[in-house]
Amino acid sequence: KAGVTQTPRYLIKTRGQQVTLSCSPISGHRSVSWYQQTPGQGLQFLFEYFSETQRNKGNFPGRFSGRQFSNSRSEMNVSTLELGDSALYLCASSLWGGLTDTQYFGPGTRLTVL
Amino acid sequence: QQQVKQSPQSLIVQKGGISIINCAYENTAFDYFPWYQQFPGKGPALLIAIRPDVSEKKEGRFTISFNKSAKQFSLHIMDSQPGDSATYFCAASKGYDYKLSFGAGTTVTVRA
Repeated sequence: KAGVTQTPRYLIKTRGQQVTLSCSPISGHRSVSWYQQTPGQGLQFLFEYFSETQRNKGNFPGRFSGRQFSNSRSEMNVSTLELGDSALYLCASSLWGGLTDTQYFGPGTRLTVL
Repeated sequence: QQQVKQSPQSLIVQKGGISIINCAYENTAFDYFPWYQQFPGKGPALLIAIRPDVSEKKEGRFTISFNKSAKQFSLHIMDSQPGDSATYFCAASKGYDYKLSFGAGTTVTVRA
């Protein structure tokens, strides 16, 4: 079974630009979560989607948004990029997103904002 | 603020030794506590997890100890191997939150 795939793997953008990251979950998984990983703040939850509905959102500004498509694939968008948005963005999928449902993480997209 | 506090930040252990990582939480609503292992260039992968109704869970060389009254849990890596060198994250989640709250991570280096 193919794992979680994320594209692109690396991105370099400049301040003020916007970026869209893509995540394809494991086949059959309907829950997709996004996390931001930085050396200073660690792993922080961005949002979670199930059946195209956002069920929870972390404490990030409105510049961070996401969506999920009917095939469970998900995208996240960051508008008006800031230097502090440089991070590894991780996507995780699980069957239902239930409490003990194992979350499988992708390799991440490394975003660098110059 | 970090809902799960993890220590130490890093540790070095000799091959065959025991690695111990500790985590503490405040939110008593948390009722699922997984540990993730992350290698450079990879996403985190679930290692082992525990519910608060169990005080200890063992899977191979990895053991979670859970102290509900102290709101603490720890990961023990027995007979540490060089291949165990990675960053380990504790995490917690609750009910229908659909999210994991992670500790800051511990980088473990196993010296041969």
